[in-house]
Amino acid sequence: KNQVEQSPQSLIILEGKNCTLQCNYTVSPFSNLRWYKQDTGRGPVSLTIMTFSENTKSNGRYTATLDADTKQSSLHITASQLSDSASYICVVDILTGGGNKLTFGTGTQLKVEL
Amino acid sequence: NAGVTQTPKFQVLKTGQSMTLQCAQDMNHNSMYWYRQDPGMGLRLIYYSASEGTTDKGEVPNGYNVSRLNKREFSLRLESAAPSQTSVYFCASSEALTGSGGYTFGSGTRLTVV
Repeated sequence: KNQVEQSPQSLIILEGKNCTLQCNYTVSPFSNLRWYKQDTGRGPVSLTIMTFSENTKSNGRYTATLDADTKQSSLHITASQLSDSASYICVVDILTGGGNKLTFGTGTQLKVEL
Repeated sequence: NAGVTQTPKFQVLKTGQSMTLQCAQDMNHNSMYWYRQDPGMGLRLIYYSASEGTTDKGEVPNGYNVSRLNKREFSLRLESAAPSQTSVYFCASSEALTGSGGYTFGSGTRLTVV
């Protein structure tokens, strides 16, 4: 079982609508929770980074939240645009003796349509 | 543009052939990484280099070797390619293993082994 689970697996929304993507993790302890955007054929690009003690972090129309008690994070996208069509990946930094180890979720594939 | 550059972007190999994937970063980062991304799975760490002159195994190192040629360059070698190594390979870099300052990913190399 993956230590970082994302839902839904895929999502289609109309341009201008809002959406929320979910991330549940089981890893503990962790230092950071990150959200990345990955366009088709490209590498992941960082959207937000939250430490374990932060509850929310915004980057323009993207807002990430973190509930360390329930081990859940969400990424809310406001007023979606066609360019938001991409895979959104939740990543948890696990603390190890040799530094941080990133554990990646499998991503939510978002498609924004006219 | 500053960032992580990977070559080649696409490659088809026959089983048993060898090849080297190249990666270079121009951000003066100390740490570099190689990941593979397979359908339905999160990115998995193959090898990493905490700093120039050091390399360590990640989660899935079998069948691969790496070389940290200098601070800028980190190459991944497949000595005898197998169909199971068909994947998209991403190189990444960060200031340090703690991930401070974030991780920057290249655009990936799509490798098919037939």
